[in-house]
Amino acid sequence: GAGVSQSPSNKVTEKGKDVELRCDPISGHTALYWYRQSLGQGLEFLIYFQGNSAPDKSGLPSDRFSAERTGGSVSTLTIQRTQQEDSAVYLCASSLGGVVNTEAFFGQGTRLTVV
Amino acid sequence: QKEVEQDPGPLSVPEGAIVSLNCTYSNSAFQYFMWYRQYSRKGPELLMYTYSSGNKEDGRFTAQVDKSSKYISLFIRDSQPSDSATYLCAMSARGGAAGNKLTFGGGTRVLVKP
Repeated sequence: GAGVSQSPSNKVTEKGKDVELRCDPISGHTALYWYRQSLGQGLEFLIYFQGNSAPDKSGLPSDRFSAERTGGSVSTLTIQRTQQEDSAVYLCASSLGGVVNTEAFFGQGTRLTVV
Repeated sequence: QKEVEQDPGPLSVPEGAIVSLNCTYSNSAFQYFMWYRQYSRKGPELLMYTYSSGNKEDGRFTAQVDKSSKYISLFIRDSQPSDSATYLCAMSARGGAAGNKLTFGGGTRVLVKP
């Protein structure tokens, strides 16, 4: 596609429910990142994929958070037993990856509200 | 102390003025420096991307990196009301197969008044 696509754009869920957030990266981009943006917290790194593997999961805040990527393309971020503090905008970015650092392009984000 | 510090603003300027934004950082391993613009309820949009120290110009935008001082700047000339947004600096320490995890500043909110 032309850009990074995320769905849904908005999600309201009840506390304790599981949610899945989807990211479609730019075609041909091997690197994929998930970030979380909370009010007053700025952009916080969650996880990085190179292809289908995740060499850096250091930002996942708890074991309720998991992510996978299939076919070197689409990624899903899953939050189990959601809590109110999980309310935030979840942003996905992709980049070419490769030998040198390349620019990361972001999607529009999924705004998650846990009530 | 955060790895990347950025004044949250808001920074209010009249239309046509130069907007001056900056970030300081503590990690000397950072080599790649980026500026993103984010409108309300939108994802960050990449404006400028630089590697190591030096200046880079693109249209009305100039990015400067001073690694010796651990200080980066973004200047916007002839500012327009459409430049009103939050500006985020971001930086990373490595690239390639090891990944280029970005560490962000908290963002500066800019308001350009007509």
